[in-house]
Amino acid sequence: AQSVTQPDIHITVSEGASLELRCNYSYGATPYLFWYVQSPGQGLQLLLKYFSGDTLVQGIKGFEAEFKRSQSSFNLRKPSVHWSDAAEYFCAVTSGAGSYQLTFGKGTKLSVIP
Amino acid sequence: EAGVTQSPTHLIKTRGQQATLRCSPISGHTSVYWYQQALGLGLQFLLWYDEGEERNRGNFPPRFSGRQFPNYSSELNVNALELEDSALYLCASIPSSGFNIQYFGAGTRLSVL
Repeated sequence: AQSVTQPDIHITVSEGASLELRCNYSYGATPYLFWYVQSPGQGLQLLLKYFSGDTLVQGIKGFEAEFKRSQSSFNLRKPSVHWSDAAEYFCAVTSGAGSYQLTFGKGTKLSVIP
Repeated sequence: EAGVTQSPTHLIKTRGQQATLRCSPISGHTSVYWYQQALGLGLQFLLWYDEGEERNRGNFPPRFSGRQFPNYSSELNVNALELEDSALYLCASIPSSGFNIQYFGAGTRLSVL
């Protein structure tokens, strides 16, 4: 069964600092990977996705992520964090075959210090 | 273009009652997924409907059920509510039964007292 691990439950960074959120997945075949963001009381907004091809993918709001098959990782990065980035971030995986439901990590809550 | 809409925004019920949650997918989308986001348990897949049929369900008891209507909107029913059913229920839609990006609604917050 596929699974996703986000090792950091809560991360605090200063505004303007760089950010890296970790995500490790467990899946036998080539995974389809996503990062979603959830602001308080809101649904999930897609930040970026990896299906195939270039392992460095760009997303919205200045985020990027790198797929590393050898490390089973799909870490999210941003060079300079803004106060509005404070939210909860979820990494997700699906097989791309069958029922396509997403398996999510437990999420990382990001706090930004002004 | 309107996104995925869910209603109601909040729902308060007591133990043993039934709850009905509704989801309208993005226009042109035919598949609907339901997820439960409970405190401490994270986001878990509940149900998948496509072309009016239930295609798959997650590890939830049968009192969680639903349906999809001819206009592709969907309804999630939770019978015999238990306290641990308190959660945010999210609906997502995709353009077809094939693999694609899931677009999420804002969710329905269900509180069971």
